[in-house]
Amino acid sequence: DVKVTQSSRYLVKRTGEKVFLECVQDMDHENMFWYRQDPGLGLRLIYFSYDVKMKEKGDIPEGYSVSREKKERFSLILESASTNQTSMYLCASSLDLEQYFGPGTRLTVT
Amino acid sequence: QKEVEQDPGPLSVPEGAIVSLNCTYSNSAFQYFMWYRQYSRKGPELLMYTYSSGNKEDGRFTAQVDKSSKYISLFIRDSQPSDSATYLCAFGGDAGGTSYGKLTFGQGTILTVHP
Repeated sequence: DVKVTQSSRYLVKRTGEKVFLECVQDMDHENMFWYRQDPGLGLRLIYFSYDVKMKEKGDIPEGYSVSREKKERFSLILESASTNQTSMYLCASSLDLEQYFGPGTRLTVT
Repeated sequence: QKEVEQDPGPLSVPEGAIVSLNCTYSNSAFQYFMWYRQYSRKGPELLMYTYSSGNKEDGRFTAQVDKSSKYISLFIRDSQPSDSATYLCAFGGDAGGTSYGKLTFGQGTILTVHP
């Protein structure tokens, strides 16, 4: 079974803090993705990566950066957290079109 | 105009009802059509996947695609309380190039099937 794990299920951070969200997949997938999910807005793509050290912006990259130093790990970084980044963050990986998702991290920025 | 439109619901039906979930899209480049199911406090999981117009059946689930109208549907027959979840439509572009593997999701429809 494909397994995608995310470092935290729930996280509370203060405005201005630097936040790291970690994602690890165990299926040697080339592609990895970070989304945020908000009520009424669905899943919106923040960043994705097709290979180690490679990254591409998604639809809403502002305020975020990513790092992929190893194939199995894809990190999302909030450089200076703001309250409008309070959301559910979902990581996914894929070999082709089927994406496998982690359980999500519920981030609250106060 | 949004690239994908999906009625967010919520939709509440009695057990045994037929459920119809729908999405419209505007991007003609979409070639792959998917439905994901997301249970509460979990990540989405792929439910069905097709790349051609017409119907595809899997047990109680039928995915329907009409490329000419840019419209896809998911039908659930004999709905069960265990079908209660959020259903997301998803669309993929042509294989090859940087679009491959990237999906565009609908907003999700919240479905509750009550006993």
